Amino acid sequence: DTGVSQDPRHKITKRGQNVTFRCDPISEHNRLYWYRQTLGQGPEFLTYFQNEAQLEKSRLLSDRFSAERPKGSFSTLEIQRTEQGDSAMYLCASSWTGGAWTEAFFGQGTRLTVV
Amino acid sequence: AQTVTQSQPEMSVQEAETVTLSCTYDTSENNYYLFWYKQPPSRQMILVIRQEAYKQQNATENRFSVNFQKAAKSFSLKISDSQLGDTAMYFCAFMRAGTASKLTFGTGTRLQVTL
Repeated sequence: DTGVSQDPRHKITKRGQNVTFRCDPISEHNRLYWYRQTLGQGPEFLTYFQNEAQLEKSRLLSDRFSAERPKGSFSTLEIQRTEQGDSAMYLCASSWTGGAWTEAFFGQGTRLTVV
Repeated sequence: AQTVTQSQPEMSVQEAETVTLSCTYDTSENNYYLFWYKQPPSRQMILVIRQEAYKQQNATENRFSVNFQKAAKSFSLKISDSQLGDTAMYFCAFMRAGTASKLTFGTGTRLQVTL
């Protein structure tokens, strides 16, 4: 296993189009997180899954955003009717449940540009 | 809610020198973790060092060490013997214990190591 994988690495889309990103976590990890990172800012938490259950969603995740993790493996993040403000790097991370703390491993991200 | 503040947008250090990156945070929690993450250009974020709030001893990982001042809510990172490969964005992050590794990040410090 080579780590957390995200696809695509870059996406350019026209305003109003729908986009979908995929994240493949480290295989034995049961937790998966999505973060958004805009230019000049640190990553901001969007949502996380434990296995297939989506346990928390940030207020940043508007109705146009939806995330899934069928069968507790890979996850998809879909943005409907994209807006220019959605332009950002979308980061995925995964971790294993265990003990008081476990390290979250990040993917390289998907950079979205809405034109 | 927690906040993390990094007041140094950019720092520069010469190779082999020592540099300190600053971070302050605000929380009403007593049990938490603090982290420094490194994000090299076009590469994934990786964990540099972590500190448990209940531990008084400052964490150390090879050339990286922290100065954790719980009462002052300060958490600085010292990089000794800086190397060109240390060039990256550095993010300070907070995690409340028991929150499934959900991280709150600062805005980052861009570190440039020069010859």
